[in-house]
This record gives sequence, structure tokens and C-alpha cells, in this order.
Amino acid sequence: QSALTQPPSASGSPGQSVTISCTGTSSDVGRYKYVSWYQQHPGKAPKLLLYEVSERPSGVPDRFSGSKSGNTASLTVSGLQADDEADYYCTSYAGSTTYYVFGTGTKVTVL
Amino acid sequence: QVQLVESGGGVVQPGRSLRLSCVASAFTFSGYGMHWVRQAPGQGLEWVAVIWSDGSQKYYGDSVKGRFTISRDNSKNTLYLQMNDLRAEDTAVYYCATEATFRLDSWGQGTLVTVSP
Repeated sequence: QSALTQPPSASGSPGQSVTISCTGTSSDVGRYKYVSWYQQHPGKAPKLLLYEVSERPSGVPDRFSGSKSGNTASLTVSGLQADDEADYYCTSYAGSTTYYVFGTGTKVTVL
Repeated sequence: QVQLVESGGGVVQPGRSLRLSCVASAFTFSGYGMHWVRQAPGQGLEWVAVIWSDGSQKYYGDSVKGRFTISRDNSKNTLYLQMNDLRAEDTAVYYCATEATFRLDSWGQGTLVTVSP
């Protein structure tokens, strides 16, 4: 059960955009549409941001968008705001043997 | 509003056991799959286990397989995680979360488990 690979950090100035990659394999990200993204502020529980690659739950601003190509999914945060400074994790369904796998996490800093 | 409250964490010696609970409210607990996810201090999230809404299927992460058991009591709106043969590397905040089609919709605030001599 190998974790999905994310860059350790990403940063941008307020108003700019930042994109975070999430690289898996043909057994998880590449095979299924069930890629989700979570935001976690320090000391808080994670919060669902996107599901099924690009779908937003109610209440999540459209500044958060997602895509997938092959074995790599991406999260883009547009119009960066101070409150976007947090850790971001991707996940993917990985079939009935492995079931679920998280990404390594990316710390986003708003400069 | 969905509420999930974990409990049962604490300090435990290596090799001992601990049972975590997650009490759910404000939604139809029996209609949802449930997960446990953990986060070691200063580290990322790690998926631990899932149980289907009716308890018929259970899956585990490799690091806990054979030592941890997930279960639920739908009559009590409660999810459990029985943790046996605990190791130092099991030290983490343990979260329960609801599942909707392979996404974790709602999360509890977590309970801290510390495995130390």
C-alpha cells in the first residue's frame, strides 16, 4: 500500500493560483474516478474539498478545482486567500484489495 | 448537522489493547459506510479501516491488518476500533469519518492514542 505522491510544499501570493499534483498508479488514480481532496488546518479535522476528481461539495467555493490525467490528479486553488494556508491531501479508491490510499500531503503557504 | 464524537484514546503500553468509539448523531448512521483514519504527530493522514453500512464488509490498511478490528452497532449509532498488540508507531490521532461513494464526507475531531512504555 504505497501512498500517493504529492509535493511537500507549494506557495503563492494572495490572488494567485497554486496547483498541487497527486501521482498514483494505474491501480488507483489511473483506474478510478474516485479521487478526493481534503484540506486540513493545524489542529483541525480534515475537510472534504473535492470528490470524484472535480466535484465540489456544497459550500466549497469554485476557487477550488480538480482534474486528472492518467495516473496524476491535480488540485488548483485560484485567487489564493490567507485562509487557504493549510495542508492538502489527495486520496483514491484503489480496488477491493487495497481499498483506499492517501497522498503524502502538501503544505500550502500564502506568501 | 452531522456529528461524530470519538472517545477511548489515552496512553497505553506497547503490546496492550485499546478500543476506540465513535458516536454518531444527526444522520441515519445505518445508511453509511464508516472509516477510521489516523495521523501520527506531525505526519500525514493514513487510512486505517472501513466498514460497510450493514457491517457485511470490512477492509484494513496493511499496517494494522491482523491487529485492529473495525465494527459497528447500528442500534447504538456507534462505530468501534479494537486495537490489539499496540506498537509505538500506532501513536496518532484517530478520526472516524462517514463515507459516501469512496469519499469521506464528515469527520470527527479525533482522539489521541499514545503508545509508550
